[in-house]
Order: sequence, then structure tokens, then C-alpha cells
Amino acid sequence: EPEVTQTPSHQVTQMGQEVILRCVPISNHLYFYWYRQILGQKVEFLVSFYNNEISEKSEIFDDQFSVERPDGSNFTLKIRSTKLEDSAMYFCASRGLTSGRETQYFGPGTRLLVL
Amino acid sequence: RKEVEQDPGPFNVPEGATVAFNCTYSNSASQSFFWYRQDCRKEPKLLMSVYSSGNEDGRFTAQLNRASQYISLLIRDSKLSDSATYLCVVNVLGFKTIFGAGTRLFVKA
Repeated sequence: EPEVTQTPSHQVTQMGQEVILRCVPISNHLYFYWYRQILGQKVEFLVSFYNNEISEKSEIFDDQFSVERPDGSNFTLKIRSTKLEDSAMYFCASRGLTSGRETQYFGPGTRLLVL
Repeated sequence: RKEVEQDPGPFNVPEGATVAFNCTYSNSASQSFFWYRQDCRKEPKLLMSVYSSGNEDGRFTAQLNRASQYISLLIRDSKLSDSATYLCVVNVLGFKTIFGAGTRLFVKA
């Protein structure tokens, strides 16, 4: 089964610091996403990315967040100045056709802890 | 009304039981529909895409009713390993994906 990879698996940072979360989506997929899941809560959509630009973003995705695909394979989420409430699991996902069927696969996530 | 609403659960069933999960969505522009399972502290794993014609994969059957904006998942002959949280997921116009809160399933021996 194709897989999405994410690094790092865990990140601990101080409030106010910048973090960059990295993802390698599935190679022939065209849509990329970031989600977050605060412990014990539902998965929340942050942003989608298509054709090298943001296609949709949620209210959570404010000016502190940015995404880019710097080299055609990696897909990154940057949080400029982290807050305590940014502590969560961050999942990357990619969507495309696999064996003729539309599929969206998630990476294993990065657990971010802001102290 | 929540954008994607699922049975609150949890469901506690014995092995071998048939269990049905229900989901409704509010945005008529929704295009794609999925069921995922999520184990504790793990990423969501795609279980099935859901099509209007309905689809089956072994013990799992998914149905979509666009007119009623309703999605279902049926698990037959449930196994201990089916214990997880089942997530109804809706993709709107290709770009925004909305998750339901999930329904927790406990399958007991």
C-alpha cells in the first residue's frame, strides 16, 4: 500500500518558537492536506493544497500558519510563533487515484507539544 | 447542524455481531465520501470510499444516499480487531475535508 511519510514523529518546542512539520505525499497524488487532532478531540481540517497553491483553509489556519511544497516532493506546514493551544497531532494527507479509485491516505502524524 | 454528524456511540457488541454506523452531512456540495478507522493515538486509516451504487469489501458494506445526505457502514461478523473509532469523512468540492466526531466500537469476546 502506498504511504505518506511525516517527520519528525514528535516535536517539543517552546511557546513563540517556529516549527516546520514535513510530509512526503504519495507521488502521483495531486491534492495535499494538513489536519490536526487535539488529544481526545476530532480530526480538524486545516488546509488543502492543489496545483502549488492553497485551495481551501479553515478558520484555524490563521496568519501564523503557512504551507509550501518547496521541491515538488516535500509538503511542509510552518507555524511561525507557536502557542500552547497548538499542541496536537498534525496529520498530512494526500489524495488521488489509486487503482482507479479516489483515495486519501494519511501520514502517521507529528505530535507537537508546545511548552 | 453539524457539517458531518455521526452516531455518538460507543457501540459495545459481541464477536460475530453485525453493527451499523450512520452518518449525515449537511453540505449538498459534498462530492466524495469515505469511512476511516482510527485506533487510539494513530492516524486515520482509509477503510472504504463510498459510492452512490454502494460498495462492499469483504465484511464491510458502505452505502450513500445523496438525496437524504446519508452515509452508512455495515460491518458483518465483527472481530475483536474491528474495535476502533469509525470516522465518517466528507470532501467538499475537492478541497475541504470534514470529519465526523467518530463512533467508538468495542467488540468483545
